[in-house]
Amino acid sequence: GDSVTQMEGPVTLSEEAFLTINCTYTATGYPSLFWYVQYPGEGLQLLLKATKADDKGSNKGFEATYRKETTSFHLEKGSVQVSDSAVYFCALSDLQGAQKLVFGQGTRLTINP
Amino acid sequence: DTGVSQDPRHKITKRGQNVTFRCDPISEHNRLYWYRQTLGQGPEFLTYFQNEAQLEKSRLLSDRFSAERPKGSFSTLEIQRTEQGDSAMYLCASSLGASIADTQYFGPGTRLTVL
Repeated sequence: GDSVTQMEGPVTLSEEAFLTINCTYTATGYPSLFWYVQYPGEGLQLLLKATKADDKGSNKGFEATYRKETTSFHLEKGSVQVSDSAVYFCALSDLQGAQKLVFGQGTRLTINP
Repeated sequence: DTGVSQDPRHKITKRGQNVTFRCDPISEHNRLYWYRQTLGQGPEFLTYFQNEAQLEKSRLLSDRFSAERPKGSFSTLEIQRTEQGDSAMYLCASSLGASIADTQYFGPGTRLTVL
């Protein structure tokens, strides 16, 4: 079945550092890809998404590009802030049927001032 | 628009008891999903409704679990004869269902602890 593999955490960085969180997927067909974020004490929120190959999703300074050839959707940010500390989940959605989300295991990010 | 709400936020029960959770989706959202999240893991799909019809269920949803969405509005998830392995965060999400890759909006979750 479909699956998502994320870079294992936790990840700890200093403020203004460059961030990459790796995400690769296995799926039949061409799913849509998502990054969700869970801030402390809050529910899951969509961060960005891409629906077809070579699409780039972006939001709040974060970016991720849908790479069909490497089946990847790595999350990047050029300069992280303390407020970016959260758990980040990569997910895919099949275009058929329920369009349910299949999540990776999550990566906990801590940014130190 | 008040977002997806879930009730209760926390539930502690003894093994063997029945529990019921409620989810109120964003109004006019046709699709409603239930997921389960255990500590250190990503959410896993349980079941899905299109309006009032339950169209897909995961193998994770044993016979002790039942979900309803009467009149296509709020949904309930009931777990009968709870087991310690049922302890998890139960998440509800809704989407408009108007196009491919609609955003799913998540509620805050109900944390279940089975003693």
